[in-house]
Amino acid sequence: GAGVSQSPSNKVTEKGKDVELRCDPISGHTALYWYRQRLGQGLEFLIYFQGNSAPDKSGLPSDRFSAERTGESVSTLTIQRTQQEDSAVYLCASSLGIRKTYEQYFGPGTRLTVT
Amino acid sequence: DQQVKQNSPSLSVQEGRISILNCDYTNSMFDYFLWYKKYPAEGPTFLISISSIKDKNEDGRFTVFLNKSAKHLSLHIVPSQPGDSAVYFCAATRRTHYALNFGKGTSLLVTP
Repeated sequence: GAGVSQSPSNKVTEKGKDVELRCDPISGHTALYWYRQRLGQGLEFLIYFQGNSAPDKSGLPSDRFSAERTGESVSTLTIQRTQQEDSAVYLCASSLGIRKTYEQYFGPGTRLTVT
Repeated sequence: DQQVKQNSPSLSVQEGRISILNCDYTNSMFDYFLWYKKYPAEGPTFLISISSIKDKNEDGRFTVFLNKSAKHLSLHIVPSQPGDSAVYFCAATRRTHYALNFGKGTSLLVTP
């Protein structure tokens, strides 16, 4: 079946602009995650959605970052007033839900470059 | 604060030989460990996992060993194949949580 998809695959933006990244999880997966991978670093957790529960936003690095999810489907990660340190690959993952949260399936990522 | 560490950024192994990738963690509350494999321009792919109640888990050519007292785990690939060339990430979590804590990855190159 179809895996996790993300769009765009690449995004170049000027410092100070807003960007919106999209994630389509695997159908039937109730849990959705956003991670960030900066150059030479491991993946860094940003936010978690589980069903209709309030999301865990504890990993978001600043209030310029926000994310929304429509039901158990599409999610968007928005970065306002982008800064150069926001340059990274943003990865979305989904999983079956509470019982299988530790086996996450990742999308190909969106490479964000802030100039 | 890096709770999961992969101290070898790269590893080169000849085809047919064993590849051993190592990972250390600092948080004793972690009770579930995973290895992900990543090819360029793709997202990480789940490879194998192990619960803290076990010290070994095997899946085909891939075996993960866990040494809780040393807070160390390793991934063995036997025999290594050129298609195994990728970046391998170690990850750890608590079963009651959901965020995975990743190491920085080890780039494995398997040469023919």
